[in-house]
This record gives sequence, C-alpha cells and structure tokens, in this order.
Amino acid sequence: AQKVTQAQTEISVVEKEDVTLDCVYETRDTTYYLFWYKQPPSGELVFLIRRNSFDEQNEISGRYSWNFQKSTSSFNFTITASQVVDSAVYFCALKPTGRRALTFGSGTRLQVQP
Amino acid sequence: SAVISQKPSRDICQRGTSLTIQCQVDSQVTMMFWYRQQPGQSLTLIATANQGSEATYESGFVIDKFPISRPNLTFSTLTVSNMSPEDSSIYLCSVASGNYEQYFGPGTRLTVT
Repeated sequence: AQKVTQAQTEISVVEKEDVTLDCVYETRDTTYYLFWYKQPPSGELVFLIRRNSFDEQNEISGRYSWNFQKSTSSFNFTITASQVVDSAVYFCALKPTGRRALTFGSGTRLQVQP
Repeated sequence: SAVISQKPSRDICQRGTSLTIQCQVDSQVTMMFWYRQQPGQSLTLIATANQGSEATYESGFVIDKFPISRPNLTFSTLTVSNMSPEDSSIYLCSVASGNYEQYFGPGTRLTVT
C-alpha cells in the first residue's frame, strides 16, 4: 500500500519569507515517482515537478527547490522569497512504477501575506 | 502533453438527481482516471477507466453510484447518481501518458442542495 503524509495542514508566512513544505511517503515498491502539484483557488491542479526514485539530486527551478532524500522517504519543497501569488494548496503525490494512478497527500495550504 | 477538458465546469443539482460529467482529451490515451476532491480534502481516486473494458473501482466506490463510460480512447463520462449533499465535490478527470506523465482536467465543481 502507498501512503503520503503532509503533516503541515496550513502555513502562513509574510511575503519574501522562505517556506518549506514537508512530504513523507511510504511504499514497498522499489521504483516509483514523486510529484508536487499546486492548486490555486481556481481549483485546477498545476504540475510543478516529477522525480523518480533513482534520482536523488536536488532540483532548483527559479524560486522553487526540491529536496529528495530516499533514506528518510522525504520529498520536501521549498519556496524562496515567497510571493502572494504562491498562496495555494500544495499536494505531494506518489506513483509506483507499476501503477498508473497517483496517491495524494492531504495537502498543505500556504497563505502568503503581503 | 495532453490537454483535457471537462463539462460542465460547475453545476448545482438537487438531491436525488444524477449528473453526467464529460472528459475529453486531445490525444488517444489508454488509461483515464476519475478523482474526487471533497471540500477542503485531498484527491481520492474513484476509478480507472480503460477503453473496451469495465472500469475498475477503488474501495468505497461502486458502479451503481458512479457509473463510468469509456467509448473510445479520447473520451469518458462519470455519472454521479442519486446525489446527496455529501457528493458535493470537485470531480477531476486525469490521464496517464507514458510511464509517469499525469495530466489533470480543470475539474467539475458539483454542489448538491
């Protein structure tokens, strides 16, 4: 069985602060993919990143960075210099290689105050 | 990539009625998925729809309540039957492309009164 835990229900920061969203996953599969999605108030899911279990390199994309640590089963997401437009619910998701659907975490609501 | 559209984008329905949600993809895909997102909650997989076969339902979801059609490789429908206020949710269509790409439709916001 797969499980994704996002322990932070809601985070509130002031604009320009850095913020890290935590994601811990459980799976018995040896190969899998991890995802982060953003869901703004409009409701649409916006794909942010995909990482496969073989690639533990951290990734930076603009103000976004991801820290994947297989040893601790974590895939954390950091937003640097947060902006009001970053306010949204962020979901971490897991997909073992042999399964096509995603298992989502409960989501973290991020509020960035001006 | 795949572009997915859903109809309707939102609806308000009375309890006891049924609503059919359409999902159209701009390319042929083998597997399509239907997810439900209840207010303030995460996404939960309802079922997997393959063309030419019966949909596979997840635990807690049954065909009588959520019948699914998949007539071809670019289209699927999900019906929410005999609705109650507890069915008020966002329903999202998703497709898998390749081994890991996942694309989501814009969702259908359903309110049951």
